[in-house]
Amino acid sequence: DGGITQSPKYLFRKEGQNVTLSCEQNLNHDAMYWYRQDPGQGLRLIYYSQIVNDFQKGDIAEGYSVSREKKESFPLTVTSAQKNPTAFYLCASSPRSNQPQHFGDGTRLSIL
Amino acid sequence: GNSVTQMEGPVTLSEEAFLTINCTYTATGYPSLFWYVQYPGEGLQLLLKATKADDKGSNKGFEATYRKETTSFHLEKGSVQVSDSAVYFCALNLNTNAGKSTFGDGTTLTVKP
Repeated sequence: DGGITQSPKYLFRKEGQNVTLSCEQNLNHDAMYWYRQDPGQGLRLIYYSQIVNDFQKGDIAEGYSVSREKKESFPLTVTSAQKNPTAFYLCASSPRSNQPQHFGDGTRLSIL
Repeated sequence: GNSVTQMEGPVTLSEEAFLTINCTYTATGYPSLFWYVQYPGEGLQLLLKATKADDKGSNKGFEATYRKETTSFHLEKGSVQVSDSAVYFCALNLNTNAGKSTFGDGTTLTVKP
């Protein structure tokens, strides 16, 4: 079955450490997205990519970085510059049209 | 710009009660509209969609009608169950945005037995 796989499900970060969250899709979608969700809050867009080797900042890109070297993969790095990284991170993908997005099951990041 | 405004939660209902969650939107153009559901600890799942005015999306007993005149897409269900307890998000897409969605803030629904 086609879908989006996020790993790991839980991740812990030490102070001053960079961590990378994985997102892989086999839906053949052109566009991919990263969102941050804080407890009881909505979704905030971090970065998105509409095509391989290209990506744009979303509303809260500071302290994060991404790459899009392959169509099926869009990893997110949470850098040490992100001072409040504890959150639930969601990856999504969609065709480049007005179709809905497909979401992974999320990665929960906590600080040790 | 584009925006989606959802009814503030949380919403608490008894089992078999009628549900309405309001959603209104602002968009430059003719958007497609969606409702997503998020169960605890999971990602969002598409619940239903409508792509043009007067379309009715429906799934699992939930319905929503695309009302262009009132720029609304309210979610309804005639009889809720405990298993419907979740967070519901209203969202829109425009063809010009190449897949990038605008989401509402989400409404938390709790259904008590």
